[in-house]
Amino acid sequence: AQSVTQLDSQVPVFEEAPVELRCNYSSSVSVYLFWYVQYPNQGLQLLLKYLSGSTLVKGINGFEAEFNKSQTSFHLRKPSVHISDTAEYFCAVRGAQGAQKLVFGQGTRLTINP
Amino acid sequence: GAVVSQHPSWVICKSGTSVKIECRSLDFQATTMFWYRQFPKQSLMLMATSNEGSKATYEQGVEKDKFLINHASLTLSTLTVTSAHPEDSSFYICSGGRYYEQYFGPGTRLTVT
Repeated sequence: AQSVTQLDSQVPVFEEAPVELRCNYSSSVSVYLFWYVQYPNQGLQLLLKYLSGSTLVKGINGFEAEFNKSQTSFHLRKPSVHISDTAEYFCAVRGAQGAQKLVFGQGTRLTINP
Repeated sequence: GAVVSQHPSWVICKSGTSVKIECRSLDFQATTMFWYRQFPKQSLMLMATSNEGSKATYEQGVEKDKFLINHASLTLSTLTVTSAHPEDSSFYICSGGRYYEQYFGPGTRLTVT
């Protein structure tokens, strides 16, 4: 079984500042990792995913994440945030084999202040 | 591509009645669909996994007689909340599985009065 821990429930940053949202996972097997964004009263939108290959993954809206197997982490970063990045961000993991079931972290509320 | 729709987007019903939520994959075939429940300021909780043409697999603690799931075709799954009570009020999100990913619908806000 897999588990995910998002280390920060809330992250406030100023506009145009860099941001990092932290995610650690636990699994006894190889994993696929995902970051999703959720705007109020909406479903989830995929930001990026790691399946295999390069550990630095680039996604939409200028976000990127780095898969670190030794530290079992998949932190999300953006060099310069905008007001429109204010949202809830979820890290998710699933085993690379077998069922597609995703395990979600508790979410990080990113608030961008002008 | 890989768009999932949900209908209705919001619904208000009276306690004791049943409500059906539809989840459709618009441009792909989803052999597996997932239903989640999300309480305010919380993460998504998987309720059940449904495969086309077979019975849904419910997560521990989810009442299968209360939350009826039907996956009638490769593009349609429905969740029926039977005899709804105020504690069933929540945001329900479905997703369709395709290759390595899940594609999420926009969610349905259910309020039981």
